[in-house]
Order: sequence, then C-alpha cells, then structure tokens
Amino acid sequence: EAAVTQSPRSKVAVTGGKVTLSCHQTNNHDYMYWYRQDTGHGLRLIHYSYVADSTEKGDIPDGYKASRPSQENFSLILELASLSQTAVYFCASSGLGGQEQYFGPGTRLTVL
Amino acid sequence: GEQVEQRPPHLSVREGDSAFIICTYTDSATAYFYWYKQEPGAGLQLLMSVFSNVDRKEEQGLTVLLNKKDKRLSLNLTAAHPGDSAVYFCAVSGGSNYQLIWGSGTKLIIKP
Repeated sequence: EAAVTQSPRSKVAVTGGKVTLSCHQTNNHDYMYWYRQDTGHGLRLIHYSYVADSTEKGDIPDGYKASRPSQENFSLILELASLSQTAVYFCASSGLGGQEQYFGPGTRLTVL
Repeated sequence: GEQVEQRPPHLSVREGDSAFIICTYTDSATAYFYWYKQEPGAGLQLLMSVFSNVDRKEEQGLTVLLNKKDKRLSLNLTAAHPGDSAVYFCAVSGGSNYQLIWGSGTKLIIKP
C-alpha cells in the first residue's frame, strides 16, 4: 500500500482562487515536505515540517502556506493562486531531516 | 551552502549498454547520498542510499560509487532495458544541512 498519498491528483484552478493540496502519510515519519516541480526541471522545496502544528519555510515559500495538523497530514495552501504556480507538487516524508524521503504520486495543478 | 551539480542532463543509450550519471557536491561533511528514479507522470522512487563510509554499492544492476576525495557520486546502470527510461536524480545531505539537496536530474532514454 502507498505510504504517502496526495489529493487531488490533478486540479484546475482560476487565478486568484484558493487551492488546498493535501498529503497523508502512514510511515510514522516526523518530517514532511512540499516540493514543486516545473516541467523538465528538478525539485524545489516550498515548506517542510518536523512536528505537528509547526511548519518551516523552504527555498521558495512565497505565495504558499503550509499546515501540519497531525503527524500524518500536511497541507499546502495557495491563498491567491497565480499562473506562475502551475506545476506538479510533490509531498514527501522522512524519519529524520536529511534521511531518505518517500514521495507521493504528485498533484498536477493548472492555474488558468 | 551545499551545491550539487548533476550531469549529463540528457542521456541516450542502446538497450543492453551501460548508462553513467555523475553528481558532484561541495560540502566535504556531506554524509548521506541517494539516487532516485522518476518515471513519467509518477513520483520519485528511492533507488539506493549510501552512507559516507561506503565507496561502492551494487544492487540489481545498479552500481553506486562514492569518491569522497573528489566529492563525486555516480550511478551506473548496467545492461539497460526499456524500463530504465526515466529521469534520475541524486540527492545529498548531512554536513551543514539537514535537508536533501537535489541534483537537477538526468533524463535517460533507452533505445531499442
């Protein structure tokens, strides 16, 4: 069974609208991450969390918020979606910071 | 901070041949090294993980070499087959950072 799941798997949003991407892990991991991947490019870290009710900024946090209500769940929130946020978003988890990360299948977000 | 350079960005080899991907890093205290595979439309799958006390690791047709003197990590796929067609990423951690630092990816195409 998949240990990291994401929902929705794809979404079309309108510019200025609010988007929430959800991630759930059953790895019993403390660390969770949100990355974005643009077509033909690598991963860029948006936000991460190492404990429930706390989130940390990654390398590109502007325009994104994160929420970690429990160890298993980690959400990425786009309050005012913009065209430039069209990308594939990946969630991952790890036991400790710097250890191997396990990824979800991704969410393809298109902002029109 | 740590920087990781991965090359080549694109690689095409014939079925049955070997494919070789290299990553170089800058922080000599880096301790953990990973290779991931991303198939089209999918998340990243962990292929191999190596700790800094290992120079060579082989698993299922994959060989990872770690040259700490030159700060170079390599992945060799022997006897490539069509299922190996994917994007491969290296990632490193440890030293002064507690997150994974990612290479930019290598798109590998296996030609029949």
